[in-house]
Amino acid sequence: ETGVTQSPTHLIKTRGQQVTLRCSSQSGHNTVSWYQQALGQGPQFIFQYYREEENGRGNFPPRFSGLQFPNYSSELNVNALELDDSALYLCASSLAWVQGSRETQYFGPGTRLLVL
Amino acid sequence: DAKTTQPPSMDCAEGRAANLPCNHSTISGNEYVYWYRQIHSQGPQYIIHGLKNNETNEMASLIITEDRKSSTLILPHATLRDTAVYYCIVAAYSGAGSYQLTFGKGTKLSVIP
Repeated sequence: ETGVTQSPTHLIKTRGQQVTLRCSSQSGHNTVSWYQQALGQGPQFIFQYYREEENGRGNFPPRFSGLQFPNYSSELNVNALELDDSALYLCASSLAWVQGSRETQYFGPGTRLLVL
Repeated sequence: DAKTTQPPSMDCAEGRAANLPCNHSTISGNEYVYWYRQIHSQGPQYIIHGLKNNETNEMASLIITEDRKSSTLILPHATLRDTAVYYCIVAAYSGAGSYQLTFGKGTKLSVIP
């Protein structure tokens, strides 16, 4: 157990809808990263939040957005859902990585999203 | 794109050591090598990471070659519960507390009874 929790565990939406996924970080962690994992693929980095600001972004369109709250919990929002958004969405928490540190990202169990 | 190359699959007999290779020939001096594993449909589990020295923890050992262009993850006594996809990842600090993990397709390790 990593102490990282995600909700909901499963979700079904239809194309064009919007979805919000939630993540609660491990105690003491101030950084959260979100990843998308399509079936049969490795996780792909969406973005990272540190001190409530986006701190790095992968190759995902603006309809993928996020929030980090003062308690370091986080949300991933996806607007105008497409069929290809069907995937396992993972969040990972960590301490901020400073040069020379050895911080590690710890993953939650994920939310499986199905878009019909 | 992932900066690592791994065999798509490997088998290992239960109780034997599992040696999982990874090639990262374009690794930069400030990039770390991380290993995670993922058991079917669960979140990835951190195993170990290192920069240039060999590392060992309660789960595994990480052997990094002197030129840092490849590494090997060693599970000393594989059990059936070690059956999973193993990801070798190169990660770099990118400023302001940020780094990202770039996953490839990993190695599917099957531990055989």
